[in-house]
Amino acid sequence: AQTVTQSQPEMSVQEAETVTLSCTYDTSENNYYLFWYKQPPSRQMILVIRQEAYKQQNATENRFSVNFQKAAKSFSLKISDSQLGDTAMYFCAFMKLDSGYALNFGKGTSLLVTP
Amino acid sequence: DAGVIQSPRHEVTEMGQEVTLRCKPISGHDYLFWYRQTMMRGLELLIYFNNNVPIDDSGMPEDRFSAKMPNASFSTLKIQPSEPRDSAVYFCASSGIRRGNYNSPLHFGNGTRLTVT
Repeated sequence: AQTVTQSQPEMSVQEAETVTLSCTYDTSENNYYLFWYKQPPSRQMILVIRQEAYKQQNATENRFSVNFQKAAKSFSLKISDSQLGDTAMYFCAFMKLDSGYALNFGKGTSLLVTP
Repeated sequence: DAGVIQSPRHEVTEMGQEVTLRCKPISGHDYLFWYRQTMMRGLELLIYFNNNVPIDDSGMPEDRFSAKMPNASFSTLKIQPSEPRDSAVYFCASSGIRRGNYNSPLHFGNGTRLTVT
């Protein structure tokens, strides 16, 4: 089974600053997808960004970008120009192909953005 | 699009009682997932269905847990008898992947917070 590790249970960043959340995973698969999900206090699960393992280019979505290091099995999330609304739990997730979007999640990082 | 609908939003029950959680996936989606979220273990995949058929239930913790999907628009997760350690948030999610196309994201319901006293 694939395991996903998020080594930072809690992080804090000031508004407008940049923060990086780390994620590592363990797999013997060559083709797979990686995701970051955001869970605000409302409990809603929101897809932030997605990366296909066969793509070398790092995914970017507005202020959110990833640093995908396939050989190192590392998938960090960078949030630029942090906003108060970014305060949430962030989950890294792994999906192997042909699993119908069955995701394996890390335990999450709680991010607090302060004024 | 109403999204994935879960009911109830909150459930409080006593140990030993039967609990049934309900889920209505997005119309047209052919995959349905049940996840459990706790502080200690994070988000765990319990079971998932494809076209109403259970594909992988290896995450179901014990025989006390069972899940059904009698049709494409409804699924239940049942715990009988419930125990305090079952207290968690239970999420249902659905996706509508066509073979090889993974651009359709996984859609989560808002979860059911279960408290077993």
